[in-house]
Amino acid sequence: ETGVTQSPTHLIKTRGQQVTLRCSSQSGHNTVSWYQQALGQGPQFIFQYYREEENGRGNFPPRFSGLQFPNYSSELNVNALELDDSALYLCASSLDPGQQYEQYFGPGTRLTVT
Amino acid sequence: ILNVEQSPQSLHVQEGDSTNFTCSFPSSNFYALHWYRWETAKSPEALFVMTLNGDEKKKGRISATLNTKEGYSYLYIKGSQPEDSATYLCAPTRSNDYKLSFGAGTTVTVRA
Repeated sequence: ETGVTQSPTHLIKTRGQQVTLRCSSQSGHNTVSWYQQALGQGPQFIFQYYREEENGRGNFPPRFSGLQFPNYSSELNVNALELDDSALYLCASSLDPGQQYEQYFGPGTRLTVT
Repeated sequence: ILNVEQSPQSLHVQEGDSTNFTCSFPSSNFYALHWYRWETAKSPEALFVMTLNGDEKKKGRISATLNTKEGYSYLYIKGSQPEDSATYLCAPTRSNDYKLSFGAGTTVTVRA
């Protein structure tokens, strides 16, 4: 297993609510990427944080936002939850943002929106 | 968004048999290809990062090849074991584009 942890493991929210998911990166890693995995699909890139700054974003609306802290841990916030936000949310840390670096994934947070 | 195709979607293999499956991706502006293995109830685990056309990488009984000109990679499992049962994901990246674009994966089930 990697040294990447995520909390909580599971979460149930109601449509319209807000949620915060947390990720602790592997020691020595300064980059965290967040992914959403819907059923039957591969993980889709939400955004990446590098040294506390957003370093790129996928095709997700602004109600998906994030933070990275000085210790390189990270949060994913989703406002105004919709039913389609139900998915597995994965975070991954890496040594650097470069594409040649392996990403180390956490176990994910399963979000259910009712 | 890159169009990444993995085939087959799933396959069943008898223990001891060898198998392989494909990842296809756009060849333009290619930078790197990642392969990950994802076992049920665990985190995705990095297998290989490949960058050069003709690259071959090996980890135990698992190996991969890369053709960047035609946009495909093969993953091979030699002498499959039950512990090889997992979903195998590939993710190419483009030059000047840091994000991984994952395919939907190939789910391998090895029968004892």
